[in-house]
Amino acid sequence: DARVTQTPRDKVTEMGQEVTMRCQPILGHNTVFWYRQTMMQGLELLAYFRNRAPLDDSGMPKDRFSAEMPDATLATLKIQPSEPRDSAVYFCASGLAPAREPTQYFGPGTRLTVL
Amino acid sequence: QQQVKQSPQSLIVQKGGISIINCAYENTAFDYFPWYQQFPGKGPALLIAIRPDVSEKKEGRFTISFNKSAKQFSLHIMDSQPGDSATYFCASGGYQKVTFGTGTKLQVIP
Repeated sequence: DARVTQTPRDKVTEMGQEVTMRCQPILGHNTVFWYRQTMMQGLELLAYFRNRAPLDDSGMPKDRFSAEMPDATLATLKIQPSEPRDSAVYFCASGLAPAREPTQYFGPGTRLTVL
Repeated sequence: QQQVKQSPQSLIVQKGGISIINCAYENTAFDYFPWYQQFPGKGPALLIAIRPDVSEKKEGRFTISFNKSAKQFSLHIMDSQPGDSATYFCASGGYQKVTFGTGTKLQVIP
């Protein structure tokens, strides 16, 4: 059963610390998305990659967030320095494009709490 | 950023009733309209999707109705069950990416 995996599942950190979240997309998928979910803003697209190349990171605060795909099996989202307003659930999703119905398969999320 | 407006924010329906969630989009170039279902503590999962070449798509108890001229689409859940209690997100976009609505929290009471 192919699934997107994310680590860690939960992260509590102090303001100012660096946070790194990891995602393993479904094998064979060529598109990876990073979303942030909060009660106030819903699901926000932070960045997405196709064939490991960043296509759009306009949703990310550039001064503190960075996203990379070191290889086809790993995507990372880094926050440095973290702030309390970054507290949210971060989802990674993967998919295959182009496709008539480009389904996104979401991971279980990383719940980040910044104190 | 192109908006997708979703309503209502929350919905309570009796078991066996019909749940209806509405969405409106702005960009006429959008050609892919999925609905995702999210249970607490889980990531969203695709429920059903439609392309604008059809006005309706049905899968079991779930139906999408699509009105291209009004730029609106809706999700109908027939014979709603307590197990359908979840948050539902509409989305619109193309093959590159989609924009999600703000979500509707559905509660189906026995």
